[in-house]
Amino acid sequence: KAGVTQTPRYLIKTRGQQVTLSCSPISGHRSVSWYQQTPGQGLQFLFEYFSETQRNKGNFPGRFSGRQFSNSRSEMNVSTLELGDSALYLCASSLTGTSYNEQFFGPGTRLTVL
Amino acid sequence: AQSVSQHNHHVILSEAASLELGCNYSYGGTVNLFWYVQYPGQHLQLLLKYFSGDPLVKGIKGFEAEFIKSKFSFNLRKPSVQWSDTAEYFCAVNAGNRDDKIIFGKGTRLHILP
Repeated sequence: KAGVTQTPRYLIKTRGQQVTLSCSPISGHRSVSWYQQTPGQGLQFLFEYFSETQRNKGNFPGRFSGRQFSNSRSEMNVSTLELGDSALYLCASSLTGTSYNEQFFGPGTRLTVL
Repeated sequence: AQSVSQHNHHVILSEAASLELGCNYSYGGTVNLFWYVQYPGQHLQLLLKYFSGDPLVKGIKGFEAEFIKSKFSFNLRKPSVQWSDTAEYFCAVNAGNRDDKIIFGKGTRLHILP
């Protein structure tokens, strides 16, 4: 069974630009969560999608948005990039998204904002 | 709001030493608790989890954790560490019985000296 895949793996952007990251969950998984990982801050929850609906949301500004498609693939968008958005963005999938289901993480997309 | 505190940001031990990584959470209700591990160059993976029942939980690779409700703690332990345990460890919590987001701590970098 293929794991969670994320594309692209690395991305370099400049301030003010926007970026779209993609996540393909494990086949059959309907929940996709996004996290921002930075040194010293650990993983900060961005949002979770289940059956194409945003079910949970973290404390990030509106520049961060996402969506989920009918095949459970998810995209995350960051508009008007800031230097502080440089981070590893992780995607995790699980069967139904309840805490009883283990989350499986992808390798992440390393975003550098110059 | 839920939060997770990991007291040690960086721990250095020699092989065969005993390990205990602290984790405290703030949430008054039923909780589900997790420890995740990220080995160098690898994806985050689940080490162990607690939902209910025996507060002493055993995970993979000889790790265990004890849930102490009165102390709001879920410390990770291993009696004898190996060089291959060098990794970053994350404690996480979410409100039990709900489809709620999982909140992660900031992580503890463990470095084992051969």
